[in-house]
Amino acid sequence: GAVVSQHPSRVICKSGTSVKIECRSLDFQATTMFWYRQFPKQSLMLMATSNEGSKATYEQGVEKDKFLINHASLTLSTLTVASAHPEDSSFYICSAASGGMSYEQYFGPGTRLTVT
Amino acid sequence: AQSVSQHNHHVILSEAASLELGCNYSYGGTVNLFWYVQYPGQHLQLLLKYFSGDPLVKGIKGFEAEFIKSKFSFNLRKPSVQWSDTAEYFCAVNANSGNTPLVFGKGTRLSVIA
Repeated sequence: GAVVSQHPSRVICKSGTSVKIECRSLDFQATTMFWYRQFPKQSLMLMATSNEGSKATYEQGVEKDKFLINHASLTLSTLTVASAHPEDSSFYICSAASGGMSYEQYFGPGTRLTVT
Repeated sequence: AQSVSQHNHHVILSEAASLELGCNYSYGGTVNLFWYVQYPGQHLQLLLKYFSGDPLVKGIKGFEAEFIKSKFSFNLRKPSVQWSDTAEYFCAVNANSGNTPLVFGKGTRLSVIA
């Protein structure tokens, strides 16, 4: 099946620093990638939808200047948490869709961000 | 807007008991339906999906789900659970119109005891 990787799997940073998370589709081209956030013991909440070569569409309440998303190629999307604060600590998960009539999304393993 | 409701927050079962986890969705159009499982410390794995056709879908690990359109439901079932089924289960839905994001339910934690 299709594989999606995320890097890093875990990151600890100090408050005020920026963190970049990469999401890669390893064996297919992802025209659309989604970024979700999962708080402990809660469900996944969609943050933004990213289409290759265009600006990401953010969900209501998600600050686009804080969560910078770039989808520069059909196999890579990045999420940069700018000037991270402790309240940004969470589990960030990406998923990728190949487009066309395939409705299935493939999830990455997630990135645990801890801001101290 | 779509929404997904999972009725049970935490289910505790003994091994070999039967399982049914409820999922209802709210959406005016045609949807795709999914069940994902998240084992402790691991990432989401797709258990099964429904796009069209036979409303009874079979997934991995002996799980199945039935889409009942009139009830807007997609309940997950397994006739006999094992200790290894202990995990968090998420129902999700997206619009049947190309690459649309998934809307997840809040999840149901299943604990299977020996």
